[in-house]
Amino acid sequence: AQTVTQSQPEMSVQEAETVTLSCTYDTSESDYYLFWYKQPPSRQMILVIRQEAYKQQNATENRFSVNFQKAAKSFSLKISDSQLGDAAMYFCAYRPSSNTGTASKLTFGTGTRLQVTL
Amino acid sequence: ETGVTQSPTHLIKTRGQQVTLRCSSQSGHNTVSWYQQALGQGPQFIFQYYREEENGRGNFPPRFSGLQFPNYSSELNVNALELDDSALYLCASSLEGRKDTQYFGPGTRLTVL
Repeated sequence: AQTVTQSQPEMSVQEAETVTLSCTYDTSESDYYLFWYKQPPSRQMILVIRQEAYKQQNATENRFSVNFQKAAKSFSLKISDSQLGDAAMYFCAYRPSSNTGTASKLTFGTGTRLQVTL
Repeated sequence: ETGVTQSPTHLIKTRGQQVTLRCSSQSGHNTVSWYQQALGQGPQFIFQYYREEENGRGNFPPRFSGLQFPNYSSELNVNALELDDSALYLCASSLEGRKDTQYFGPGTRLTVL
């Protein structure tokens, strides 16, 4: 079974600084997707960034980028120029590439609460 | 905004009762998944529906059931509520052929007393 581990329950960053959130996963699959979702107090789970395992290039979305290390099964999220609005729970998630049945479910980590201070 | 809505926002029930939670997705989103998120945890997959048929289920008992309708709305039904069913229930939908990206609703907070 696939598992996703986020070992940092809480992180804190000053506004305008850079922070890195860690995620490791375990799978026997060779092709899959990885995601970072943001869940603010409003509870809506918002997709931040996604990475396809067969792509070696790390995904980037504006101030958000990932460091995907497939051999190490590591998928960290870097937030540059942190803003107050970045404060939220961040979840790392895994999904196999198959499109049928339970194979398309997302497996989530336990989350990292990010605080942004002035 | 993801275009996915859920109702009600909050709900309080007592043990043994039954509850129905609703989700409305965007047009063309014919895959919907339901997740249970206990306090302080990540979401756990309950089941998935594709074109009105259940096509995948997580480790949840049969008292958790669902329906999906042709108008891209869906329901999660839970019978014989237990205290441990207290959680945030999230639905997530995806476009035909794009199950790699799921769009989440804001969730329904269920409290079982």
